[in-house]
Amino acid sequence: QQQVKQSPQSLIVQKGGISIINCAYENTAFDYFPWYQQFPGKGPALLIAIRPDVSEKKEGRFTISFNKSAKQFSLHIMDSQPGDSATYFCAAVIYNQGGKLIFGQGTELSVKP
Amino acid sequence: NAGVMQNPRHLVRRRGQEARLRCSPMKGHSHVYWYRQLPEEGLKFMVYLQKENIIDESGMPKERFSAEFPKEGPSILRIQQVVRGDSAAYFCASSPVSAGYTGELFFGEGSRLTVL
Repeated sequence: QQQVKQSPQSLIVQKGGISIINCAYENTAFDYFPWYQQFPGKGPALLIAIRPDVSEKKEGRFTISFNKSAKQFSLHIMDSQPGDSATYFCAAVIYNQGGKLIFGQGTELSVKP
Repeated sequence: NAGVMQNPRHLVRRRGQEARLRCSPMKGHSHVYWYRQLPEEGLKFMVYLQKENIIDESGMPKERFSAEFPKEGPSILRIQQVVRGDSAAYFCASSPVSAGYTGELFFGEGSRLTVL
C-alpha cells in the first residue's frame, strides 16, 4: 500500500531531551526515506534522508534509524532545543516512479525551555 | 536564487467560484509538484508536472481540479466550482530532477484557500 504511518501526532519534550518520531510503511518498493521539517506558515524543508541499505544516518543532532525487516524508521533529535519546535513529516518515495513523495501524517513537536 | 514562489498566499472564495493558484519554481527546476495539506493531516500528493506535460495526476480529484505547467510562465492549479471541503493549504514544490532520485523537494510557502 502507498501509505506511511507516523506517530506520535504530537510530542512535548523538555529542552535538552531526546525527541523520537516513528514511521512505518508497507510498500517494500519504497527506496528512499526523507524527513521534512515545517515551521508555522512556511513550506516543508528537507531535513535528512536515508536509503534502506543503511541502518543509521546522523547529521548533527538529527539521526535516522532504519529497520528494513520491520519496515520502520525513526527520527531522533538529540539535545532538543526550543528552535526545533516544528512539525516533522516522514516520507517515502520510489526511485523510478517520478518522485511522488508519500508523506506521513506529521508530528507536531514542542520543545519546552 | 529565489525560492519557489507561490501566489496568492491567501485566497478567499465563495462556494461555486473558481480558484487559481500560481507557482513559479526555482530557477533551473523543471519538475513541479502540487500537494494539499488539510488541518491535522499530512501532505497529500496531487500532481507532478514537467514543462507542458502532466507526468502523474493520480492524486488529483477527478472533477473540478486541473493543473498545467506551460512552456512559459508559472504552473497553475485550478479549482472550479469550489466547495467548503476544498479549504486547505496548497503547496507547490519543485526540483531540478525527479524527486525520485533525491527525495528532495523545494517547497513554496503555500497558498491558503478558504471557501466561505
